[in-house]
Amino acid sequence: KQEVTQIPAALSVPEGENLVLNCSFTDSAIYNLQWFRQDPGKGLTSLLLIQSSQREQTSGRLNASLDKSSGRSTLYIAASQPGDSATYLCAVREGSQGNLIFGKGTKLSVKP
Amino acid sequence: DAGVIQSPRHEVTEMGQEVTLRCKPISGHNSLFWYRQTMMRGLELLIYFNNNVPIDDSGMPEDRFSAKMPNASFSTLKIQPSEPRDSAVYFCASSLMQLYGYTFGSGTRLTVV
Repeated sequence: KQEVTQIPAALSVPEGENLVLNCSFTDSAIYNLQWFRQDPGKGLTSLLLIQSSQREQTSGRLNASLDKSSGRSTLYIAASQPGDSATYLCAVREGSQGNLIFGKGTKLSVKP
Repeated sequence: DAGVIQSPRHEVTEMGQEVTLRCKPISGHNSLFWYRQTMMRGLELLIYFNNNVPIDDSGMPEDRFSAKMPNASFSTLKIQPSEPRDSAVYFCASSLMQLYGYTFGSGTRLTVV
C-alpha cells in the first residue's frame, strides 16, 4: 500500500531564506506527483505537477524535483516571504485512472 | 471557469440527521473525487468516479455514506444518519484523466453535534 510521508511536519524560517520541503513515497510506480498549498480554513491550491517521466517543474520561486527510483520529491522555495506561510501537501497519483494519495503536510511559517 | 463548486460551505447538524453535500466539477473534467480531511488522519479519499461511474468506494467509512453522480456536472455525498465522528472538512476535486492534476473545491465544513 502506497504511503506518503512529509518531513518536517512544521517549519519556521525568517523571511528571505531559501528552504526545502521533503516528500517520500514507498512505491515508486507512480503516475505523477502534485504539490499543493493549503491556507487555514481554505481548499487546496495546486502548485506544481510533475509527470513520472519528468525530473522537475518550476513556477516562479518554486521548484519541485522528482526522483522516482528513490521515492522522493522536494519542493524548493526561494527567497521565502510571509505570504508563503501555509501548509504544503505532497500527493502521488497511482495510475492514469488512480486517485491521489496525500502526505500529512508540512506547515510552513515565514517570519517577517 | 468558476472552478470546482461545493455547497454548502458550512453545515451544522444534529446527530442522526441526514446531510447532503454537493459538488459541481469543472466542465469537461471526467474524474471526480470526494475527500475527507481531519486533523488526525489528514486527507483521505472516500470515493471517485470516472465518466460518472464509481470506480473505487473502498474509502467510504460505512453504509451510512453514499455518493452519486447522476451526470457529468453534479455529484452528491450523503451521510444518513450523521454522527459526531463524521465532523470534518469534505472536499470535492475533479480532473482530466491521464495528463492533468486535480482541482479542488473550497470544501464543506461539517459539524455534527
